[in-house]
Amino acid sequence: AQSVAQPEDQVNVAEGNPLTVKCTYSVSGNPYLFWYVQYPNRGLQFLLKYITGDNLVKGSYGFEAEFNKSQTSFHLKKPSALVSDSALYFCAVRPMEYGNKLVFGAGTILRVKS
Amino acid sequence: GAVVSQHPSWVICKSGTSVKIECRSLDFQATTMFWYRQFPKQSLMLMATSNEGSKATYEQGVEKDKFLINHASLTLSTLTVTSAHPEDSSFYICSAPQGGTYWGYTFGSGTRLTVV
Repeated sequence: AQSVAQPEDQVNVAEGNPLTVKCTYSVSGNPYLFWYVQYPNRGLQFLLKYITGDNLVKGSYGFEAEFNKSQTSFHLKKPSALVSDSALYFCAVRPMEYGNKLVFGAGTILRVKS
Repeated sequence: GAVVSQHPSWVICKSGTSVKIECRSLDFQATTMFWYRQFPKQSLMLMATSNEGSKATYEQGVEKDKFLINHASLTLSTLTVTSAHPEDSSFYICSAPQGGTYWGYTFGSGTRLTVV
């Protein structure tokens, strides 16, 4: 079965410190990988994606993610967290055999404290 | 960039009434629209996939007669919650995939439905 795991329900980090939000996936083939952010009562905003090419992907708002095929991971990172980064983060995978459907992780709440 | 406009942002309705949620693609043609439901602090649950000009495909366990989906044109998809009950209260989000040079998904801003 196709699945995405975000092992941490919540990540707490101090403002200015680096942050990592973890994501691992279990799909067959070469998937497309995405990170989205959601603020309360809002839709999902696109942060970055990996389709092919360089394993290190840079996205919006200073976020980046590294695709690691051997570990089937796609962790989201940022060198210096901001309080305004506090939100709900979703990792999503488009398995090749699912057509255009996305499989979402459970989500990780990021809290950045000043 | 591509925008999907979702309306209303929030709606309160009485039990037994129907509510229609609209998603419009503003600057691209959305041949497919995904409809999700999200419970508080939880992930998105795919309810159905609508395709312009054909019947929607519902995920297992989703009641077709309760959640009516119509994809009337390449820029409009609607979700109607019929005979709403309090347990239908939730956050509903639509999303359209895009191909071409930009490969990804654009999400609507969501609709908070409260049934009283």
